[in-house]
Amino acid sequence: QKEVEQDPGPLSVPEGAIVSLNCTYSNSAFQYFMWYRQYSRKGPELLMYTYSSGNKEDGRFTAQVDKSSKYISLFIRDSQPSDSATYLCAMMDPGGGADGLTFGKGTHLIIQP
Amino acid sequence: NAGVMQNPRHLVRRRGQEARLRCSPMKGHSHVYWYRQLPEEGLKFMVYLQKENIIDESGMPKERFSAEFPKEGPSILRIQQVVRGDSAAYFCASSQSGFNTEAFFGQGTRLTVV
Repeated sequence: QKEVEQDPGPLSVPEGAIVSLNCTYSNSAFQYFMWYRQYSRKGPELLMYTYSSGNKEDGRFTAQVDKSSKYISLFIRDSQPSDSATYLCAMMDPGGGADGLTFGKGTHLIIQP
Repeated sequence: NAGVMQNPRHLVRRRGQEARLRCSPMKGHSHVYWYRQLPEEGLKFMVYLQKENIIDESGMPKERFSAEFPKEGPSILRIQQVVRGDSAAYFCASSQSGFNTEAFFGQGTRLTVV
């Protein structure tokens, strides 16, 4: 079982729809949870960053973490064609041996005009 | 305020040659992370460096790969005797505090081994 599972998609929705992106993980030591957006041929861009469980909202984006279920979500409201990109979840165990982030494979999102 | 700068953006090498990838962190950042993204795969952590020190290289292949971050100049990821399996996008990220969750990524170097 991979440490972080993420459905690669593609996920195609009409403009204006609410988008739900999800990741599951197996390492209960993960404490920090991030969502990145990556446009084709570009570097990842940090969207949201959450510590431990709970919700965090930033504009049209809401991140949720449920540590009891080892499940994180990113919701995008009023989706726009410019939101079309690959969305990567990432996690970190602050007490773990490695200093790097553990990423999911990414979900390819397409917003249809 | 220039972001994380990586060069070259694209690099083609023949099998057996050496590849050198450069990363200039954001101004004021002294912590650098290298990641590799294989086709259809997620980003994989390779190495974490501070100026003149390798802090964590647990994700780095044991052979042919090395990284440095000298006192002056960019961080360098060096791959000796490249093989086709090294073809990937290599991303560098930098942070000010050493806290990986606040790192900013560069645009990556796409290495193709022919």
